[in-house]
Amino acid sequence: EAGVVQSPRYKIIEKKQPVAFWCNPISGHNTLYWYLQNLGQGPELLIRYENEEAVDDSQLPKDRFSAERLKGVDSTLKIQPAELGDSAVYLCASSFGTDTQYFGPGTRLTVL
Amino acid sequence: GENVEQHPSTLSVQEGDSAVIKCTYSDSASNYFPWYKQELGKGPQLIIDIRSNVGEKKDQRIAVTLNKTAKHFSLHITETQPEDSAVYFCAATSDTDKLIFGTGTRLQVFP
Repeated sequence: EAGVVQSPRYKIIEKKQPVAFWCNPISGHNTLYWYLQNLGQGPELLIRYENEEAVDDSQLPKDRFSAERLKGVDSTLKIQPAELGDSAVYLCASSFGTDTQYFGPGTRLTVL
Repeated sequence: GENVEQHPSTLSVQEGDSAVIKCTYSDSASNYFPWYKQELGKGPQLIIDIRSNVGEKKDQRIAVTLNKTAKHFSLHITETQPEDSAVYFCAATSDTDKLIFGTGTRLQVFP
């Protein structure tokens, strides 16, 4: 069974540029999560989807971050414009309901 | 909200020795406690979890214990091997399903 797929794996951009990350969850998983992981820290939830509905986006900086999960499967997370402090690993995870969360490999973002 | 503290931040052991990582949580409503292992360049992978109706769970060389009264839980790895070297994260959540992670423990197992 394929795991959570994320792309790109690495992204380097200059500040003020836009960037987008893509996530394909495990087949059949209706819940999808985006996490932010700073160096030396644990993951922090940005947004959680149940099917296509964002049920918890309280930690998402809405002035520059946006996310969507059209058709309740794949999801994209966008930052526009990116700032130096956005450099981090962006992790996607999925689960069936509130069962175990399975993480993807992450996208490492570097903002110059 | 929930807060999870994890200790130690780094742990070095000799191959074959045991390793113990401890976490405390603040929200008494938390009822699910997973442990994740993260290798370099990879996402966190679940290694074991425990629910609040159980005090201990074991899977081969890995065990987790939970003390609800004291609000702490621990990961025990016995007979450590070099491939156990990684960063380990504890987490806690209530029925809201929002995982709150600890700050991680970097485990190094020396041959």
